[in-house]
Amino acid sequence: DTAVSQTPKYLVTQMGNDKSIKCEQNLGHDTMYWYKQDSKKFLKIMFSYNNKELIINETVPNRFSPKSPDKAHLNLHINSLELGDSAVYFCASSKIAGGSYNEQFFGPGTRLTVL
Amino acid sequence: ELKVEQNPLFLSMQEGKNYTIYCNYSTTSDRLYWYRQDPGKSLESLFVLLSNGAVKQEGRLMASLDTKARLSTLHITAAVHDLSATYFCAVKGGGADGLTFGKGTHLIIQP
Repeated sequence: DTAVSQTPKYLVTQMGNDKSIKCEQNLGHDTMYWYKQDSKKFLKIMFSYNNKELIINETVPNRFSPKSPDKAHLNLHINSLELGDSAVYFCASSKIAGGSYNEQFFGPGTRLTVL
Repeated sequence: ELKVEQNPLFLSMQEGKNYTIYCNYSTTSDRLYWYRQDPGKSLESLFVLLSNGAVKQEGRLMASLDTKARLSTLHITAAVHDLSATYFCAVKGGGADGLTFGKGTHLIIQP
């Protein structure tokens, strides 16, 4: 009955590779997000997406692209991985209406290590 | 640019003591969130504060919001070891229509 799930939990790869992280939510939420948490635990929004609009944080390199096959999924694709991409990536979701106050629920995180 | 500042960033305290974590933010926002993160784990939502003067309590934790001062506090009463974690405040707004987080307060509660 996991609310927001991510796979894989750990991802180790070489520089220059392309990789994907999957995210699924079973909460019926309208909006999904990707956040990056660096080695100092600083959390930064990367993208938000609902079925109408993708909003990109302008600081995110265009090597990162979210793809949503349906409302319950938002996958993160990363091309040409760099050492600085090593971090923990969190997926989150929220409901935009109905008194939910946009409270965001986070997935377990994917620890990406680029060698 | 929306900025969220927490202090202290690190706090070591003894069980049974009281303490407060402060969260200041730089621009007007209509909601503020507190999250808890245990080492190697995800973020757990603690409180959602929506209006000026809002106060919410859960066990030994109490959060309040002063929108005029752009300040939220998380007060810990009679701390116990199980409360050791990193606590983040976050404000709606900033880039990509997501949350802008403070740097987190790493709280260690010693027996």
